[in-house]
Amino acid sequence: NAGVMQNPRHLVRRRGQEARLRCSPMKGHSHVYWYRQLPEEGLKFMVYLQKENIIDESGMPKERFSAEFPKEGPSILRIQQVVRGDSAAYFCASSPGVATNEKLFFGSGTQLSVL
Amino acid sequence: AQSVTQLDSQVPVFEEAPVELRCNYSSSVSVYLFWYVQYPNQGLQLLLKYLSGSTLVKGINGFEAEFNKSQTSFHLRKPSVHISDTAEYFCAVDSGGSNYKLTFGKGTLLTVNP
Repeated sequence: NAGVMQNPRHLVRRRGQEARLRCSPMKGHSHVYWYRQLPEEGLKFMVYLQKENIIDESGMPKERFSAEFPKEGPSILRIQQVVRGDSAAYFCASSPGVATNEKLFFGSGTQLSVL
Repeated sequence: AQSVTQLDSQVPVFEEAPVELRCNYSSSVSVYLFWYVQYPNQGLQLLLKYLSGSTLVKGINGFEAEFNKSQTSFHLRKPSVHISDTAEYFCAVDSGGSNYKLTFGKGTLLTVNP
């Protein structure tokens, strides 16, 4: 039973390019969460999605960042016109539902480096 | 706003020794508290969590943590560590009751030496 799969593990982009990070949740999970870990900081919540819906994007930067979780396929975190400050580790988690007692399962993360 | 402070970035110990990883949080409201572990090349895994009730919480792999509201702490302990416990440990807080809107500390790297 595969866990949460994130790819790529490492992504290098030049300033101004687009970055696309993918997350395939665990089998049977329909809730996906994205977190960002900036250098020298802890992970922070960005966005929560269910299939085809954004439920909570209170942690997303207002510009250049977007996320989707289509009916088919992985969840995508998209960063347009990347800047050096976007360099970070991006983690995805999934759960079968959202409730106080639901357990989150995390992927290994994607390390984004912006040159 | 909520924040988490893990006081030690690295903790080296010898096998079979006891260990305590410290975590302090700040929040103006009631919180849920979590400890996650990340083994090399793996995703974060939940070790234990405090939602309510008994302040002593037992988790997997022999770990436990105690919630201390007056000291705003949630330290993680294990009486006897194994080499396999070598990993990065993250403390996290959720003050919204969502179970997902977590703020994590920077992590503590526990290295268990033979």
